[in-house]
Amino acid sequence: SQQGEEDPQALSIQEGENATMNCSYKTSINNLQWYRQNSGRGLVHLILIRSNEREKHSGRLRVTLDTSKKSSSLLITASRAADTASYFCATGLGNQFYFGTGTSLTVIP
Amino acid sequence: DAGITQSPRHKVTETGTPVTLRCHQTENHRYMYWYRQDPGHGLRLIHYSYGVKDTDKGEVSDGYSVSRSKTEDFLLTLESATSSQTSVYFCAISEGGGRMNTEAFFGQGTRLTVV
Repeated sequence: SQQGEEDPQALSIQEGENATMNCSYKTSINNLQWYRQNSGRGLVHLILIRSNEREKHSGRLRVTLDTSKKSSSLLITASRAADTASYFCATGLGNQFYFGTGTSLTVIP
Repeated sequence: DAGITQSPRHKVTETGTPVTLRCHQTENHRYMYWYRQDPGHGLRLIHYSYGVKDTDKGEVSDGYSVSRSKTEDFLLTLESATSSQTSVYFCAISEGGGRMNTEAFFGQGTRLTVV
């Protein structure tokens, strides 16, 4: 399988703290993306980082990519209760998107 | 929100019966995908389409077939449903696919239970 793996599988933090999730993947990629899924809903795209980029920011989100280690991290700063969700990385290659198994984030008010 | 609609949203069916799930988009995107989501497995690709009448298999295609007769509709058929196909099914669309640095937009999902 070309699926990525997120780490940790579950994360629980207090509101206001930072949350860091990691993603490892197996093959070369065109890009890596992060998605959020609220309970019972479809996935929503958060941010895309291209294979030739090392870091990208979007609001409270910071994504890094290390293609030599085949890994990426997603940092959510100053977390809020509304950030409670599952987060998935996805690698874009060819026609397809390959999704990881997800990190479940709980932000405690 | 991207114009993507899945139907039905919930379905309970009996083992051995055929089931068809529909994905409809209004974005005119070239790529359409069917994923299933199961605890511990994340999202796994069943089939995808890269144009009208152009489809290809994904990671878990056994027991499933698809059809795309027009740009806006992508149908997923379980020819003879089994309990192992109980899952949440998601349709996704993309303008450029994985290589073009474009994102995927997801439908709200269909919860299918095979009893």
